[in-house]
Amino acid sequence: ILNVEQSPQSLHVQEGDSTNFTCSFPSSNFYALHWYRWETAKSPEALFVMTLNGDEKKKGRISATLNTKEGYSYLYIKGSQPEDSATYLCASPGDTGFQKLVFGTGTRLLVSP
Amino acid sequence: DTEVTQTPKHLVMGMTNKKSLKCEQHMGHRAMYWYKQKAKKPPELMFVYSYEKLSINESVPSRFSPECPNSSLLNLHLHALQPEDSALYLCASSRKLAGDSYEQYFGPGTRLTVT
Repeated sequence: ILNVEQSPQSLHVQEGDSTNFTCSFPSSNFYALHWYRWETAKSPEALFVMTLNGDEKKKGRISATLNTKEGYSYLYIKGSQPEDSATYLCASPGDTGFQKLVFGTGTRLLVSP
Repeated sequence: DTEVTQTPKHLVMGMTNKKSLKCEQHMGHRAMYWYKQKAKKPPELMFVYSYEKLSINESVPSRFSPECPNSSLLNLHLHALQPEDSALYLCASSRKLAGDSYEQYFGPGTRLTVT
């Protein structure tokens, strides 16, 4: 059974701080790693889909890196803003196929003004 | 239109009721999903439809019955639910990316309470 883990569970930073959190996944049989941002009462929003070892992707102040050999991905937020407050989920396809995503428990980020 | 819509937003039902959750997308995606999310837990996959055919059923109890009437619509029929089935039910659709990856687009969910 695929196990995707995220740390920390929650994070509280001040506006302007840069922050990062981790997603760990099994390095064997890797297919892809997805990052989502989920604001309260809204739909989870896809941030990145990463497939290649060494991949780095960027969207505004948010970026992500991928290390498939050691089984981790980092998500970085530069200069956090209150609107970045959300739960950040990572997910990886399970062993039954690429369409089955197994999610981590998420990192809940709170950015205070 | 890059939205997945879900109705209703909230639903309260008794254990003897029959109700349905609805999901719609007009992005031309040919795969659609139902997930269940309990508080402080990650979303868990329930069903996947691919080209209107059920392709994955994650051993979900038969009191949950999915239906895909056409490529834009996905329903989840509920009957004789238990209080422990109270959760947020998320619908998603996906497009295939280069290679074998899929990018999933989620609706905002239906918050279900079973009394």
